[in-house]
Amino acid sequence: NAGVMQNPRHLVRRRGQEARLRCSPMKGHSHVYWYRQLPEEGLKFMVYLQKENIIDESGMPKERFSAEFPKEGPSILRIQQVVRGDSAAYFCASSTGTASYEQYFGPGTRLTVT
Amino acid sequence: DQQVKQNSPSLSVQEGRISILNCDYTNSMFDYFLWYKKYPAEGPTFLISISSIKDKNEDGRFTVFLNKSAKHLSLHIVPSQPGDSAVYFCAASEASYGKLTFGQGTILTVHP
Repeated sequence: NAGVMQNPRHLVRRRGQEARLRCSPMKGHSHVYWYRQLPEEGLKFMVYLQKENIIDESGMPKERFSAEFPKEGPSILRIQQVVRGDSAAYFCASSTGTASYEQYFGPGTRLTVT
Repeated sequence: DQQVKQNSPSLSVQEGRISILNCDYTNSMFDYFLWYKKYPAEGPTFLISISSIKDKNEDGRFTVFLNKSAKHLSLHIVPSQPGDSAVYFCAASEASYGKLTFGQGTILTVHP
């Protein structure tokens, strides 16, 4: 009964490099959400996806950030040309969709930009 | 624009006593509320939820109370155990939207 899986757990990137964060939802879940937690803050919504569709990206920064959830494979959160302010914990959550407010979270990826 | 607020950054309780964590919200469109527990270096773990049509939901040692007129909810943990020590987040959702809006979290410490 695997839960939400995220990898890598820790990622170090230099300024200007690209970061790719992966998320595999729980079995039977078709909805994926990405959240970001900055130090000493709560989680902030970034994007909500279903297979091959972006449903709500109202929390995504307008530049450098993108997300996808292809028909096959994990959801990917991509950050281009990372800056120090991107250093944070990025959490993925999934739900069945029928009760989309009950979201189950992965362990997170901690991104450090040096 | 902090739509969900947890005004107590921390709470310290003796083992066996009641822990009460509070949360206020401003968006009257929220109709589903959840509590998550989070340990360091782990993802949030779903604890308990409540729909806006109810004022109380209970699950074992955890009870959530909702006061819609005051836009306030609380989580009661009875009896508190040292293993309950963690950061607790309340979150809220509008039914037609998928995203959760989180509070800043309250650090609960339960002393043996």
